[in-house]
Amino acid sequence: SQKIEQNSEALNIQEGKTATLTCNYTNYSPAYLQWYRQDPGRGPVFLLLIRENEKEKRKERLKVTFDTTLKQSLFHITASQPADSATYLCALAMDSNYQLIWGAGTKLIIKP
Amino acid sequence: DAGVIQSPRHEVTEMGQEVTLRCKPISGHNSLFWYRQTMMRGLELLIYFNNNVPIDDSGMPEDRFSAKMPNASFSTLKIQPSEPRDSAVYFCASSSRTGNTGELFFGEGSRLTVL
Repeated sequence: SQKIEQNSEALNIQEGKTATLTCNYTNYSPAYLQWYRQDPGRGPVFLLLIRENEKEKRKERLKVTFDTTLKQSLFHITASQPADSATYLCALAMDSNYQLIWGAGTKLIIKP
Repeated sequence: DAGVIQSPRHEVTEMGQEVTLRCKPISGHNSLFWYRQTMMRGLELLIYFNNNVPIDDSGMPEDRFSAKMPNASFSTLKIQPSEPRDSAVYFCASSSRTGNTGELFFGEGSRLTVL
């Protein structure tokens, strides 16, 4: 069956360290993969989009990798700050398909 | 620039009542999505509109749910009659791209509680 898996348990990281979140998928061949941030009581906010022919994408302290062989995307936050604490969602997009397939999200806690 | 605007932010109603959720997408966006989020099932797409036309409503749970987009700046999601299992946060999102090729801009959501 088709599945997207994100770290189910909260990830606790010390401030200043790099946080790495994982998004694994099975039985998909996504054309795009997106990462969103969601704060409690708020809607998801788009962070980065990476295409299947891109191995890495960066935006300020954020970096996303996309390994279609491993069927995995890694989301890194360098020099993490308590303000980075949130739930991070990955979502897959199939080519010519209008429906994003969403992971359950990983809760990230950055401790001062 | 205003983002996606949803109302009401919170709604508490009794089983059997009609619920109407409203959404104003970002001006110029031609794609609009209604999502439902629960702890158990995460984010689920209910319906997708492109240029005000419903493209896919396969995610709508049952006939009790209906959605309309009478013009480019307004959409509604209606539940009639509501049931306790409909309790969730309902998000509206819009995009300037067709389908999923661009980022989605989400509203703050409407938290629905059906007693």
